[in-house]
Amino acid sequence: AQSVTQPDIHITVSEGASLELRCNYSYGATPYLFWYVQSPGQGLQLLLKYFSGDTLVQGIKGFEAEFKRSQSSFNLRKPSVHWSDAAEYFCAVVISGTYKYIFGTGTRLKVLA
Amino acid sequence: EAGVTQSPTHLIKTRGQQATLRCSPISGHTSVYWYQQALGLGLQFLLWYDEGEERNRGNFPPRFSGRQFPNYSSELNVNALELEDSALYLCASSPRVTGNEQFFGPGTRLTVL
Repeated sequence: AQSVTQPDIHITVSEGASLELRCNYSYGATPYLFWYVQSPGQGLQLLLKYFSGDTLVQGIKGFEAEFKRSQSSFNLRKPSVHWSDAAEYFCAVVISGTYKYIFGTGTRLKVLA
Repeated sequence: EAGVTQSPTHLIKTRGQQATLRCSPISGHTSVYWYQQALGLGLQFLLWYDEGEERNRGNFPPRFSGRQFPNYSSELNVNALELEDSALYLCASSPRVTGNEQFFGPGTRLTVL
């Protein structure tokens, strides 16, 4: 069955430090890939998405993600974290040719001043 | 352009009662998705409606049901409420184009006492 794994439930980084959030998916073909962010008590906001082409994708708020087919990964990165980045981050996939969205369990980011 | 709206923002019910949650999608979006986000459990897919029809449902009992109206707004009904139904219920909309991202509303916080 298709699945999305975010192996880190919690991550704590210091403000100004770099960040990488991991996402792995289980699916034979390349799906559509997304990263969303959720601030406390809020809905989800799209950070970036990958459909095809350049495997390094730029998103909003200074985030980027790299698709690696060989590793079935789509990790989210930011070179310098700001305190306002503290939130929960969700990776999601859509299986090509379907409308089925699968979300990971999320990674909660804490930023130390 | 107005985003996805949900009402009410908060809802408090007691065990055994029924809850009705409402969602208005972005104009032009025909698909509406419902998710349950209970504490520590990530996003659990509930239901997908498109063009007035239920297209898919997640692993939830039949007391979770809903419908989509001709204007594509949607209603989620939860009957015979149980304490574990307490959660944030998120609605998302999308045009019915494979691979399109979902746009989320702010959610309805349901508390069952």
